Amino acid sequence: DQQVKQNSPSLSVQEGRISILNCDYTNSMFDYFLWYKKYPAEGPTFLISISSIKDKNEDGRFTVFLNKSAKHLSLHIVPSQPGDSAVYFCAASARDGNQFYFGTGTSLTVIP
Amino acid sequence: ETGVTQTPRHLVMGMTNKKSLKCEQHLGHNAMYWYKQSAKKPLELMFVYSLEERVENNSVPSRFSPECPNSSHLFLHLHTLQPEDSALYLCASSQRAHYNSPLHFGNGTRLTVT
Repeated sequence: DQQVKQNSPSLSVQEGRISILNCDYTNSMFDYFLWYKKYPAEGPTFLISISSIKDKNEDGRFTVFLNKSAKHLSLHIVPSQPGDSAVYFCAASARDGNQFYFGTGTSLTVIP
Repeated sequence: ETGVTQTPRHLVMGMTNKKSLKCEQHLGHNAMYWYKQSAKKPLELMFVYSLEERVENNSVPSRFSPECPNSSHLFLHLHTLQPEDSALYLCASSQRAHYNSPLHFGNGTRLTVT
């Protein structure tokens, strides 16, 4: 059973607007959450992370929000740019392990 | 050369062949990983090495055999594969094999088993 789920396979957004990518998880032991970005024919690239002791982490145009009670994670990209078009994966890990659990990804298209 | 490099980028092999995938990291990391990505499925962890010692083996069939001769190099030896093993194989490294040490991925090897 998948422990990390991304229920939207794709998302289209106009350039300049906000992109919101969502991720849900089932394991309450998860302590650390990450977002990766993947272009075609390339490996995933680490984007941003958040520890479970925080509810928000910001890095430039990218902000990750964590709602532990809802077991929900989101990535906000503001403003969205055409170069942000890629597949975004969320991942999670638990303090007592060394394995990351990945979602199936959301393909973001930013329309110029 | 920087980051994590994987060779070859593409590989087609028959079910009776033996081949190897190679991964090299130039980041000074102490942990290396093999992941498998099949269509419409999440990335699946196959193997984890920390300081050249295998620390995780996620019930991977014995037709996949990893080798980590040093902290910069990782191999995945393949033999008598099945068509369902066709997938993207990703190598990754991290500073340490720890829950909050982000992975850095290579560009993967696209494997097709015929």
